[in-house]
Amino acid sequence: EPEVTQTPSHQVTQMGQEVILRCVPISNHLYFYWYRQILGQKVEFLVSFYNNEISEKSEIFDDQFSVERPDGSNFTLKIRSTKLEDSAMYFCASTPTSRNQPQHFGDGTRLSIL
Amino acid sequence: RKEVEQDPGPFNVPEGATVAFNCTYSNSASQSFFWYRQDCRKEPKLLMSVYSSGNEDGRFTAQLNRASQYISLLIRDSKLSDSATYLCVVVSSSGSARQLTFGSGTQLTVLP
Repeated sequence: EPEVTQTPSHQVTQMGQEVILRCVPISNHLYFYWYRQILGQKVEFLVSFYNNEISEKSEIFDDQFSVERPDGSNFTLKIRSTKLEDSAMYFCASTPTSRNQPQHFGDGTRLSIL
Repeated sequence: RKEVEQDPGPFNVPEGATVAFNCTYSNSASQSFFWYRQDCRKEPKLLMSVYSSGNEDGRFTAQLNRASQYISLLIRDSKLSDSATYLCVVVSSSGSARQLTFGSGTQLTVLP
């Protein structure tokens, strides 16, 4: 079964540094998403992406965050100047063309900010 | 009122027991509903969609009550492997892409 893959599985970064989290969505999917989950808390929506632009974003997704689809396969989340509170699991998800399909999640990147 | 609210549990049940989880949502315009399960420090995995008429998948039964704005999940003959956190998920966006809103999850532990 096709999978969403994410790299790295764990990223440790000094506060104030930039990080890029990478995702390879399922190949025929057209809608892409980032979510985060702070340890012990619920999964929170960050941003959705379709047709090479952001469709929706949450209040969490402020100016320090950006997303990009630099080529035909990768979908990246960049955090420009990381804060301690950015430490979380970051999940990428994708869906195919139909809006009624459930989302498939990657196994996440654990981001630890020191 | 939270957008999606679940009893956090924990629910500790013996193997073979039947257990039910409820979830309420605040947005009456919500369109789609799902149950996901999440194992410790893993990604959410789709368990089942929830349809208006109710649906069953093996030992799992999901129900939707739009009038009262709640959904439920029933697990029969629970197994040790059912131990996980069960996430109620609601599609709350009417935009061009679907945004999932997650409940905080209900923790289930099935005991031998």
